[in-house]
Amino acid sequence: AQSVTQLGSHVSVSEGALVLLRCNYSSSVPPYLFWYVQYPNQGLQLLLKYTSAATLVKGINGFEAEFKKSETSFHLTKPSAHMSDAAEYFCAVSDPNAGNMLTFGGGTRLMVKP
Amino acid sequence: DAGVIQSPRHEVTEMGQEVTLRCKPISGHDYLFWYRQTMMRGLELLIYFNNNVPIDDSGMPEDRFSAKMPNASFSTLKIQPSEPRDSAVYFCASQGMKQETQYFGPGTRLLVL
Repeated sequence: AQSVTQLGSHVSVSEGALVLLRCNYSSSVPPYLFWYVQYPNQGLQLLLKYTSAATLVKGINGFEAEFKKSETSFHLTKPSAHMSDAAEYFCAVSDPNAGNMLTFGGGTRLMVKP
Repeated sequence: DAGVIQSPRHEVTEMGQEVTLRCKPISGHDYLFWYRQTMMRGLELLIYFNNNVPIDDSGMPEDRFSAKMPNASFSTLKIQPSEPRDSAVYFCASQGMKQETQYFGPGTRLLVL
């Protein structure tokens, strides 16, 4: 069984500050890991993914995440927050051997203050 | 490609009515997923198909919910009869056989009064 925990359902940062959204996972097999972003009244859009290649993954809009097996973590970071980054972010894990079903975390709502 | 297409985008109905949500996956994708999103429960997988065949429907809440995929380019999620607690945003997603990524549609916002 797989699970994902996102620490902090709400995170608030100032514009220009570092963004750090935390994600820890549990998986019995080497996982694939994803970060999706959801803007208000829209569907989920892929930000980045880890699929057993490089452990530091760069995504769209300046975001990146690092897979740390020893910590079972896949935290999302961005050096400098922009107002347009305000959205909800979902971490997800999939089992490549189980039909690629995604298990999502509870989501973290990022607020960016001017 | 136009991406995953869902219709309607918004649906308001009265308790007891039948509701049908529609999804057109990305052409060539083999997997299709239906999710429900609510404030209380977050994102829940309801059912998924592989090559038009339902593989796992363990997330379907009860017999009032049913899903079909008559061909590779169309799927429906039906609720009959609908109840106020079914109010949510329903997402459809599709994925290619040799891809790791699910692509989501814009969702259908359902309100059952």
